[in-house]
Amino acid sequence: DTQMTQSPSSLSASVGDRVTITCQASQDISNYLNWYQRKPGKAPKLLIYDATNLETGVPSRFSGSGSGTDFTFTISSLQPEDIATYYCQQYHTLPLTFGPGTKVDIK
Amino acid sequence: QVQLVESGGGVVQPGRSLRLSCAASGFTFSSYAMHWVRQAPGKGLEWVAVISNDRTNTYYADSVKGRFTISRDNSKNTLYLQMNTLRAEDTAVYYCARADGGWTDAFDIWGQGTMVTVSS
Repeated sequence: DTQMTQSPSSLSASVGDRVTITCQASQDISNYLNWYQRKPGKAPKLLIYDATNLETGVPSRFSGSGSGTDFTFTISSLQPEDIATYYCQQYHTLPLTFGPGTKVDIK
Repeated sequence: QVQLVESGGGVVQPGRSLRLSCAASGFTFSSYAMHWVRQAPGKGLEWVAVISNDRTNTYYADSVKGRFTISRDNSKNTLYLQMNTLRAEDTAVYYCARADGGWTDAFDIWGQGTMVTVSS
């Protein structure tokens, strides 16, 4: 199975700050990586697919980069509504696997 | 609008069975592969199973293989998850999700989830 790791596990930042989350795969997954946002009490929401593509309707302050084993998710200017847990997920190989999540808070 | 609505969750004793349903609307259900994903209390997301749009292919996480069965009825626009021999560690919110494109592509539509509690 492809193991996914994320760092940090949690972070606290101020409104307007640039926030960066990293995700690492245990093997080369090319660009077969997605990012999801999970707010308490709500279903997960797709933000980024194929490592770099912004899902329709998602604000442009969200972005993704990387390929192979190392990936980055960035919020260019943190907003109060971005408080959530963010998950990376690989779909290169079954079983599909998620990272453990990064909880983002407002300082 | 495009929507997935899960049902069938509840409290069940260890060793018993439960069947979840996921009703789809607003899109051509038979064109999309569908997945089940779960989240245990205080834990992260865990992928559970996938079924292809035409029901010919299925795949399971090792943690549920042999106990859970994913199925679908395209005439009823409904996805199912038959869960047998339930364990305490199966306690979770279960989400159905649509794969956008290929059968393992990004989950672009999610249901609101249904809670399953396995407890004596």
